Amino acid sequence: QSALTQPASVSGSPGQSITISCTGTSSDVGNHNYVSWYQQYPGKAPKLIIYDVINRPSGVSNRFSGSKSGNTASLTISGLQAEDEADYYCSSYSSSSTWVFGGGTKLTVL
Amino acid sequence: EVQVEESGGGLVQPGGSLRLSCTGSGFTFTSHWMHWVRQVPGKGLVWVSRINTDGTTTNYADSVKGRFTISRDNAENTVYLQMNSLRADDTAVYYCARVRQGSAGLDYWGQGTLVTVSS
Repeated sequence: QSALTQPASVSGSPGQSITISCTGTSSDVGNHNYVSWYQQYPGKAPKLIIYDVINRPSGVSNRFSGSKSGNTASLTISGLQAEDEADYYCSSYSSSSTWVFGGGTKLTVL
Repeated sequence: EVQVEESGGGLVQPGGSLRLSCTGSGFTFTSHWMHWVRQVPGKGLVWVSRINTDGTTTNYADSVKGRFTISRDNAENTVYLQMNSLRADDTAVYYCARVRQGSAGLDYWGQGTLVTVSS
């Protein structure tokens, strides 16, 4: 049950687009379309922003999008805004009937 | 309004036990799988356990298997996490989360309850 690999930090200027990668293995990301992404502000509970690789819950901005290629999933945030500054976590179902999270990525809006 | 609320956290000595509760409201509790996820303050999210709608299927992270037990009482709209043989590295905020129907995403989370294992 090794954690998925995310960059520790990414940054971008308002209006730009950024992408956060999430690399797993053929036992998790590569073999299941059950990748989710969560946004978390300091001291707050995580919020679901992408589920099942590409789907957005109602109420989540369409500036957030998800994709997957092989063992790597990605979260793209377009039209970066100051309010997007937060921690982002990916998660995937694993073939051992368990779940695994990534280590988290801190997004800084410059 | 959908709500998920944890309770039961606190300070416990190494080797001790604690039972966390998670109560759901504003939705059909029996229709949703539920998970526990923990987070050491300042660190990342770590998956702990999950339970299916009727409590017959449970899964655990290797780090808690054999020490933690997840269960649910659908009559009380509550999920439990019984934690035994607690260690210092179990210290964390424990979140309960609801699984979105028809998917694997955790769409509603509680605010978390802090468990501190220390002598």
